[in-house]
Amino acid sequence: NAGVTQTPKFQVLKTGQSMTLQCAQDMNHNSMYWYRQDPGMGLRLIYYSASEGTTDKGEVPNGYNVSRLNKREFSLRLESAAPSQTSVYFCASSRDRGSYNEQFFGPGTRLTVL
Amino acid sequence: GNSVTQMEGPVTLSEEAFLTINCTYTATGYPSLFWYVQYPGEGLQLLLKATKADDKGSNKGFEATYRKETTSFHLEKGSVQVSDSAVYFCALENQAGTALIFGKGTTLSVSS
Repeated sequence: NAGVTQTPKFQVLKTGQSMTLQCAQDMNHNSMYWYRQDPGMGLRLIYYSASEGTTDKGEVPNGYNVSRLNKREFSLRLESAAPSQTSVYFCASSRDRGSYNEQFFGPGTRLTVL
Repeated sequence: GNSVTQMEGPVTLSEEAFLTINCTYTATGYPSLFWYVQYPGEGLQLLLKATKADDKGSNKGFEATYRKETTSFHLEKGSVQVSDSAVYFCALENQAGTALIFGKGTTLSVSS
């Protein structure tokens, strides 16, 4: 039982390049989330997927797209990376949406955009 | 919308000292409240939670009580250890009930 896994762990991009961050969970959870963590800002929600086949914008969705490929996998895509997207990205999952369901986090992807 | 404010860090303590990290919230209704912990190089882990007013969440010697009157959820531990060094995040559910809103985090550093 690996929990939530993310790839890659580290990535350096040049401005304008694209990339996809991968996330998978093996807990049969319905809901999945993408957050970014910046110094002094805490975690901010980018996108979430309440259930397979649905996605919704969070607090900071601009410049990102997501795909809920199946129940296990939820990817985050940067189409044209910008230096402002330099951050640590965390994927999380929960059994369902709502406060009674603990969110489980992956180890994070540290992204630098030059 | 809902929001959470927690004390700025870093907090530096000696082993066996008493810890308090303040957290206050603004919310519509009475959302569940959480404390998450992030150890160096890792993702966040749920430390404790409280789902209604006057509830006390506890885990690993940490406690926090849901105070409706003061809209607070302060984290406390009677005797910290070096292994408690981490970043602590207070969180609550957003108004739509779809995700969590996190505070900015408080870094705790415990020395022996």
